[in-house]
Amino acid sequence: NAGVTQTPKFQVLKTGQSMTLQCAQDMNHNSMYWYRQDPGMGLRLIYYSASEGTTDKGEVPNGYNVSRLNKREFSLRLESAAPSQTSVYFCASRASIAGITDTQYFGPGTRLTVL
Amino acid sequence: AQSVTQLDSQVPVFEEAPVELRCNYSSSVSVYLFWYVQYPNQGLQLLLKYLSGSTLVESINGFEAEFNKSQTSFHLRKPSVHISDTAEYFCAVKEGGKLIFGQGTELSVKP
Repeated sequence: NAGVTQTPKFQVLKTGQSMTLQCAQDMNHNSMYWYRQDPGMGLRLIYYSASEGTTDKGEVPNGYNVSRLNKREFSLRLESAAPSQTSVYFCASRASIAGITDTQYFGPGTRLTVL
Repeated sequence: AQSVTQLDSQVPVFEEAPVELRCNYSSSVSVYLFWYVQYPNQGLQLLLKYLSGSTLVESINGFEAEFNKSQTSFHLRKPSVHISDTAEYFCAVKEGGKLIFGQGTELSVKP
């Protein structure tokens, strides 16, 4: 049981390049999330998926797109990277059983630098 | 919309001293609160959570937090810290299916 896995761990891009961050969970969770972490700003939600087949914008969605490929996988795409997207990206998942508040489980993160 | 404020960005303490990390949230009818810990170069891990019931919640490694509705606070405390507690701590409040995080507090424990 690996929990939440993310690839890659590190990435350096040039401005304008595109890339996809991959996330997978093996806990059969319904909900999945993408956050970015910047110094002094905590974690800010980019996009989330409450269940397979649905996605919604979070606090900072501009410049990103997501795909909930299946129940296990939730990818984040940067179509044209900008230096402002330099950050550490975390994926998380949650069981979201109706009527029960459950814990979000986080992946190890992807450290992205855009030059 | 909910918001969370962590009043201290950095808290340096000596080993075996007590510590309090402060967290205030915006008021709501019902609230679910969490503390997460992030060790260097790792993801976030749940430390403890308040959903309902007793206002004092404890973690397995000696931290505790008290839900105070009148002061809209959920401060994290430990009576005696260890070097291994050095980490960043995040307070969060549930809003619908999402978590709203505070800015984080870096706890630095010195020998």
